[in-house]
Amino acid sequence: AQSVTQPDIHITVSEGASLELRCNYSYGATPYLFWYVQSPGQGLQLLLKYFSGDTLVQGIKGFEAEFKRSQSSFNLRKPSVHWSDAAEYFCAVGAGNTGNQFYFGTGTSLTVIP
Amino acid sequence: NAGVTQTPKFRVLKTGQSMTLLCAQDMNHEYMYWYRQDPGMGLRLIHYSVGEGTTAKGEVPDGYNVSRLKKQNFLLGLESAAPSQTSVYFCASTPHLSYEQYFGPGTRLTVT
Repeated sequence: AQSVTQPDIHITVSEGASLELRCNYSYGATPYLFWYVQSPGQGLQLLLKYFSGDTLVQGIKGFEAEFKRSQSSFNLRKPSVHWSDAAEYFCAVGAGNTGNQFYFGTGTSLTVIP
Repeated sequence: NAGVTQTPKFRVLKTGQSMTLLCAQDMNHEYMYWYRQDPGMGLRLIHYSVGEGTTAKGEVPDGYNVSRLKKQNFLLGLESAAPSQTSVYFCASTPHLSYEQYFGPGTRLTVT
C-alpha cells in the first residue's frame, strides 16, 4: 500500500538558515511526488512536483526537492529561510491507478525565529 | 476565474443532524476530491470522482456520501453527524491526466 512518512513533526530554524524537510514514501511503481505548503487557516498550495526526469526539481518561493529512488525519499530544501516560510508542509505521492489518488504525509510544522 | 470554492466556510452541527458541503470549480477539471484534515493526521481522502456521474471511496468513506451530478460540482453529505466528524474538510480538483491538485479554502465543521 502507498504511504508517505514525514518523520519530523515540528522544526524550528533561524531566519537565514538553511532548511531540509524529510519525506519518505512507499510505492511500488514510479511515484509522482509533491510538496504542498499550508499557511494557517488556508488551503494547500503546490510548491513543487516530480514526475520524471531530472531528480532535482525547482519550485516556487525558492524551494527545491531531490528525488532519491534508492532511499525512497523526496526531501524539500531551501538555502535561506524567510520568516514568511513559517507554515505547515505536506509531502504527497500520487498513485498511478485510475482516479489519480493522492496520499499525504502527516505534515511538518515549520517555525522561523528571528 | 474563482478556482475551487467551498460552501460553507464554517458550520456547527449537533449530533445526528445532516448537512451537505458544496465544492465548485470553474476550471473544467475532470477529477474532484474530498479530504478531511485532522491534527497530526495530514489529509485523508474521503471520496473522489473521476468524472460527472461517477464517484469512488477513498481511505475514510464511512459516514459520508457524495454526488457529482454536474461536472463542476462535488457534494459531500453527512447523513447523521457524529463528533468524530469534527474536522476541516478540503475539496480539490485535478485536470484530466494531470496530478496537480487545486485546493479550496476549506470548511471547518464542528459536531457537538
